[in-house]
Amino acid sequence: AQSVTQLDSQVPVFEEAPVELRCNYSSSVSVYLFWYVQYPNQGLQLLLKYLSGSTLVKGINGFEAEFNKSQTSFHLRKPSVHISDTAEYFCAVSAGNTPLVFGKGTRLSVIA
Amino acid sequence: ETGVTQSPTHLIKTRGQQVTLRCSSQSGHNTVSWYQQALGQGPQFIFQYYREEENGRGNFPPRFSGLQFPNYSSELNVNALELDDSALYLCASSTTSSGNTIYFGEGSWLTVV
Repeated sequence: AQSVTQLDSQVPVFEEAPVELRCNYSSSVSVYLFWYVQYPNQGLQLLLKYLSGSTLVKGINGFEAEFNKSQTSFHLRKPSVHISDTAEYFCAVSAGNTPLVFGKGTRLSVIA
Repeated sequence: ETGVTQSPTHLIKTRGQQVTLRCSSQSGHNTVSWYQQALGQGPQFIFQYYREEENGRGNFPPRFSGLQFPNYSSELNVNALELDDSALYLCASSTTSSGNTIYFGEGSWLTVV
């Protein structure tokens, strides 16, 4: 079985500052990794995904994430955040055809 | 816009009642899954349907049941509602050609009083 730990429940950051949201996973088999964003009162929107190949993955809205197999991590980064990035961010893992397993989420608050 | 639509968007039910939530998957997607997201938590997998058959289930009791129709739309039914069933219910669709990516709808907010 897979599991995901999002190490920070809340991350406050000033506008135009860089941010990193941390995600660690546990699995005995190869995995696919995802980051989703959830704006208030909305569903989940896919930011980016790692399936195979290059360990640095670029997504929408200027976000990127790096898959580190040895550290079992998939941290999400953005070099300069905007007010509109304020949302809940979820890291998720699956092993091929298995359902997504989500972390508990990290609430990113961008301060003007 | 993911092409996955859910209805209703919000509803309130009384404990002990039954509820049906509906989902239309993205065109061409033959797999639909349902997740429950309680307040302040990440989504939890309920079950998945592939070509009208349930082919995976999470740790939810039998009073949570579902259907998938020939056009790949789906229903989630919950009987004997309990207060803890209050949550956002998310439908997601996928297909083998979507690169193991699933696309979520906006969700149905269920409040049980």
